[in-house]
Amino acid sequence: NAGVTQTPKFQVLKTGQSMTLQCAQDMNHNSMYWYRQDPGMGLRLIYYSASEGTTDKGEVPNGYNVSRLNKREFSLRLESAAPSQTSVYFCASREGQGAGELFFGEGSRLTVL
Amino acid sequence: AQSVAQPEDQVNVAEGNPLTVKCTYSVSGNPYLFWYVQYPNRGLQFLLKYITGDNLVKGSYGFEAEFNKSQTSFHLKKPSALVSDSALYFCAVRDSNSGGYQKVTFGTGTKLQVIP
Repeated sequence: NAGVTQTPKFQVLKTGQSMTLQCAQDMNHNSMYWYRQDPGMGLRLIYYSASEGTTDKGEVPNGYNVSRLNKREFSLRLESAAPSQTSVYFCASREGQGAGELFFGEGSRLTVL
Repeated sequence: AQSVAQPEDQVNVAEGNPLTVKCTYSVSGNPYLFWYVQYPNRGLQFLLKYITGDNLVKGSYGFEAEFNKSQTSFHLKKPSALVSDSALYFCAVRDSNSGGYQKVTFGTGTKLQVIP
């Protein structure tokens, strides 16, 4: 099973450019998440989608937008990239209810110059 | 507000020795507690979780964790460390009593270095 698949794995952008990170899961999970990982700060939630058709802001949503395209896919868009958005981005999914654990993708390393 | 503290940025242990990675938490209701491991340039992988019941939880790769409600701790342990255990470990908490999204809060991570 592929689990959670993210693309691209690496990307370099110039300040002001836009891009979309793609995420797809094949586990039929209801909930999907986007996190960013920065040294010394752990993982911080950007946006999440509790179910198909819904999205909500997490801890650090500024500068990002998301789309829950269908049950499988959840994309993260940077409209005008800034150096502060240089980070490693992780997509995750889990079953919608109960104490289920998160399943993570391999990450997308983004550098904004 | 819920929080997780991992007081050690790095833990060094000799191969074959027991290891402990510490985690304390704060949550208003009953906690769901998780440990994840991250190998270099990889995503996080689930190790184990505490939901309810037995305070000693066993997980993948020989790891276990002990839930201590009075000390609000959930320390990760392994009786005999392997070099291949070297990785970044994250503790996470969720409030089981919260409705809706049930936010997961992660600690800042502890780097485990097992020395041959």
